Amino acid sequence: AQRVTQPEKLLSVFKGAPVELKCNYSYSGSPELFWYVQYSRQRLQLLLRHISRESIKGFTADLNKGETSFHLKKPFAQEEDSAMYYCARSTNNAGNMLTFGGGTRLMVKP
Amino acid sequence: DADVTQTPRNRITKTGKRIMLECSQTKGHDRMYWYRQDPGLGLQLIYYSFDVKDINKGEISDGYSVSRQAQAKFSLSLESAIPNQTALYFCATSDHLGGYTFGSGTRLTVV
Repeated sequence: AQRVTQPEKLLSVFKGAPVELKCNYSYSGSPELFWYVQYSRQRLQLLLRHISRESIKGFTADLNKGETSFHLKKPFAQEEDSAMYYCARSTNNAGNMLTFGGGTRLMVKP
Repeated sequence: DADVTQTPRNRITKTGKRIMLECSQTKGHDRMYWYRQDPGLGLQLIYYSFDVKDINKGEISDGYSVSRQAQAKFSLSLESAIPNQTALYFCATSDHLGGYTFGSGTRLTVV
């Protein structure tokens, strides 16, 4: 089965501190990896995808095929970054459906 | 205006009742999905549809059914609701590259 693991259910940091949200995926072919974010009372929205190699809101994520990881990083956390973050991978079938991790709640304290 | 609209936003229903959750989209995507979100379990796929005549079961389809009435509409039904179906339900659409657009969610409580 294709799995996505986010080992931390909750990550709490102070404003200005570096943030790393961990994501590991099961190895199978050449998946695409994504990070989605859900702010309080809002819908999930795409934060970034590895294929585009973008930096969104100061966040970056590097695909490490050797470690099968796609950790999300930001050098200086802001209070408005507080949200639920979901890592996801495509399922390698024709549909490119996504399998989601269990999510990590990031709390940035003032 | 929302690209993906879910109705109702909140619903409380009794055990054994039939309930339908509706989803409509203006993205023009062929692919639509229903997920449920439970704390700590992330998003679990219930059903998905790649076209109007295409319906597929996801990870947790038992107790649910769907109908793809048109390209823009994909409804989820609970034939006989039970308390462990209490959850937040999300509809989503996607393009062929895997970029998903989610609805705002329906919070369902079965008492």
